Amino acid sequence: GQNIDQPTEMTATEGAIVQINCTYQTSGFNGLFWYQQHAGEAPTFLSYNVLDGLEEKGRFSSFLSRSKGYSYLLLKELQMKDSASYLCAVVENSNYQLIWGAGTKLIIKP
Amino acid sequence: DGGITQSPKYLFRKEGQNVTLSCEQNLNHDAMYWYRQDPGQGLRLIYYSQIVNDFQKGDIAEGYSVSREKKESFPLTVTSAQKNPTAFYLCASSISTGGLTDTQYFGPGTRLTVL
Repeated sequence: GQNIDQPTEMTATEGAIVQINCTYQTSGFNGLFWYQQHAGEAPTFLSYNVLDGLEEKGRFSSFLSRSKGYSYLLLKELQMKDSASYLCAVVENSNYQLIWGAGTKLIIKP
Repeated sequence: DGGITQSPKYLFRKEGQNVTLSCEQNLNHDAMYWYRQDPGQGLRLIYYSQIVNDFQKGDIAEGYSVSREKKESFPLTVTSAQKNPTAFYLCASSISTGGLTDTQYFGPGTRLTVL
């Protein structure tokens, strides 16, 4: 079956670093997306990984290990505006539809 | 500016009524999608369309209908057959689903409440 797991909620301090994990079990794999979603707003694209390793994009980095069915999103130098939900989504091979995790709500404290 | 628009932002409907949610994009994207988002759950796909005049059911199509008469527009009708329609509805688009993994871009969403 299909399964995407993310922690429900995390708390971090402004200026610190936080890692949000995502594990997946799918029948196929053709990449993994990370999106950011502020409350009541649209998800916005952060990153896409299809090969193993770390991809860095400013304060945000995303890592993928296909053999472990595991990804993480690393946020550095946290700012209050980073308070949001972070959604992990996997692309299965069969139909290129996305399978979405429930999201991780990140709370940033001063 | 290119983007995806959804209207209205908030929508209230009486039980037993059909309601249509609008989604328009000027990104020249071929593919469009409708998702439903409920608290504590991942986005669930209702319908998607890869090309004009063609669309496919997603995981939770029952009680919903769509049309794709123009490339720019993909309206979603929530019918009275949908048992639990109160939710946040998100429309998205991507360049193509023709064998490529394309990033989906989302509209601002419509929050539907059934009274």
